[in-house]
Amino acid sequence: GENVEQHPSTLSVQEGDSAVIKCTYSDSASNYFPWYKQELGKGPQLIIDIRSNVGEKKDQRIAVTLNKTAKHFSLHITETQPEDSAVYFCAACLTSGTYKYIFGTGTRLKVLA
Amino acid sequence: EPEVTQTPSHQVTQMGQEVILRCVPISNHLYFYWYRQILGQKVEFLVSFYNNEISEKSEIFDDQFSVERPDGSNFTLKIRSTKLEDSAMYFCASSEMGAGEQFFGPGTRLTVL
Repeated sequence: GENVEQHPSTLSVQEGDSAVIKCTYSDSASNYFPWYKQELGKGPQLIIDIRSNVGEKKDQRIAVTLNKTAKHFSLHITETQPEDSAVYFCAACLTSGTYKYIFGTGTRLKVLA
Repeated sequence: EPEVTQTPSHQVTQMGQEVILRCVPISNHLYFYWYRQILGQKVEFLVSFYNNEISEKSEIFDDQFSVERPDGSNFTLKIRSTKLEDSAMYFCASSEMGAGEQFFGPGTRLTVL
């Protein structure tokens, strides 16, 4: 069935360092890949997304890369700050039909000051 | 900025009781979703809703669950006879188009005793 694997489950980095979170999806028909940040007690908030016709997308300190052949996509956060500390979820979506998201298992990122 | 709202923020109920979780999606959105997140686990798809009918439902969404859009603004999730394992955070989401960003509400924490 549809599945998204996400690694690592926890990640601690020093402030100013980079953080990388990786996801692998199973459904090759997936063509939309959002990344959500979830802070304690809040709902997930979209931070960046990528569609399958693009290999990389960047927004300031955040970038996402997609390898459709390998069914991998990754989130890169540069110059991390303490406020980046949160749980990050990747998701895969098939942009036809019902558009449901299949989420990864989440990565708890802790940025140490 | 428009946002998805959910009420109540926390619902405590006895096993076997019915609960209704309420959501007000963003006003011009046409696609609506419910997801749940058991404590410490990933966000799981429950159901998608478009044009006043269910588009897709997951295995979790059994006969005890139902959704309704009773008027032009609310979107509800009803659990007819709650079980202990229904305890989770329930997120409502909406999107303007099917193939795009889903905006998540802050969630309702359901505790079944």
